Amino acid sequence: AQTVTQSQPEMSVQEAETVTLSCTYDTSESDYYLFWYKQPPSRQMILVIRQEAYKQQNATENRFSVNFQKAAKSFSLKISDSQLGDAAMYFCAYRFSGGYQKVTFGTGTKLQVIP
Amino acid sequence: NAGVMQNPRHLVRRRGQEARLRCSPMKGHSHVYWYRQLPEEGLKFMVYLQKENIIDESGMPKERFSAEFPKEGPSILRIQQVVRGDSAAYFCASSPWTDEKLFFGSGTQLSVL
Repeated sequence: AQTVTQSQPEMSVQEAETVTLSCTYDTSESDYYLFWYKQPPSRQMILVIRQEAYKQQNATENRFSVNFQKAAKSFSLKISDSQLGDAAMYFCAYRFSGGYQKVTFGTGTKLQVIP
Repeated sequence: NAGVMQNPRHLVRRRGQEARLRCSPMKGHSHVYWYRQLPEEGLKFMVYLQKENIIDESGMPKERFSAEFPKEGPSILRIQQVVRGDSAAYFCASSPWTDEKLFFGSGTQLSVL
């Protein structure tokens, strides 16, 4: 079974600084998707960034980028120029690409942004 | 283009009552997922449905919980004879067949008194 591990329950960052959230996963598959979702206090789950395992290039979305290390099964999220609105729970997630598949989530990292 | 709609937003039930949670997927989405989130925890997969079919129910408790996604109408997550441990936020997500991304609703907060 696939598992997703986020070893940092809480992180904090100064406004305008950079922070990296860690995620590791376990799978025997070679083709899959990885995601980072953000959950602000409103509880709405928002997709931040997505990575296809067959792509070597790391995904980027504005201030958000990932460091995808397939051999190490590591998928960290870097937030640059942190803003107060980035404060939220961040969940790493995995989905096997074959057919009908569920998405498996990690336990989350609570990010605090300090003004 | 409305997003994933869940209702009610909040649901209060007494122990032993039934809870029905509704989810209308985004237009054009034929796949629905239900997740449960306990306070300060991640999302736990419960069930994955396609119209009129249960694809994966490996996360559903064996008793008291059921889910359906009929040909017409919303997906329903039904919890019979609720207990205090069922108190949680229940999230629905949908996706089209051609896209691996999930689009989430705002969740239903179930409180069991």
